[in-house]
Amino acid sequence: EDKVVQSPLSLVVHEGDTVTLNCSYEVTNFRSLLWYKQEKKAPTFLFMLTSSGIEKKSGRLSSILDKKELSSILNITATQTGDSAIYLCAVEAEGKLIFGQGTELSVKP
Amino acid sequence: DGGITQSPKYLFRKEGQNVTLSCEQNLNHDAMYWYRQDPGQGLRLIYYSQIVNDFQKGDIAEGYSVSREKKESFPLTVTSAQKNPTAFYLCASSIAGSGTDTQYFGPGTRLTVL
Repeated sequence: EDKVVQSPLSLVVHEGDTVTLNCSYEVTNFRSLLWYKQEKKAPTFLFMLTSSGIEKKSGRLSSILDKKELSSILNITATQTGDSAIYLCAVEAEGKLIFGQGTELSVKP
Repeated sequence: DGGITQSPKYLFRKEGQNVTLSCEQNLNHDAMYWYRQDPGQGLRLIYYSQIVNDFQKGDIAEGYSVSREKKESFPLTVTSAQKNPTAFYLCASSIAGSGTDTQYFGPGTRLTVL
């Protein structure tokens, strides 16, 4: 059975800290891995990763895929209270997205 | 303004009633999806449609039904057969149903069964 597992499930940090969120997967016919940020409503797209070892970066956020280890990490440096959200990892396989449980990040002032 | 709209934002239903959640997109996307989100369980796929007049069951289709008569619209009916319908429902769309297309999400409908 295809599955995506994220860790930790929740995390509390202080502003300025750096965090690393993990996503591991076991799917048939992997095509891509996506990260989304969800603040109360619609998830918003962050990154799509298809190639192993190539880092994608957007401001303080970055992500990398390791196909050998079947995993990905999402890094957030110099966290701000506005980074508080649920971060969702999803893997595309056979035309469908399979989501992990999400990591709930809370950044305290 | 292009995007995905869902209505209503909040919905209350009595046990035994069917209820239909609306999802409309004006992005000219071929593929549309319905997910259910429960606390601690991420998003689970209910149904998806890659083209008009065609749809497939996702992982948790029991107790739900959909139609795709128009490209822009993909309504979801939660039937009385769904045993635990209280959840947050998200609709998404993508250009096509292939792996390289990002899915864009609507704002969601929170359904509560009284």
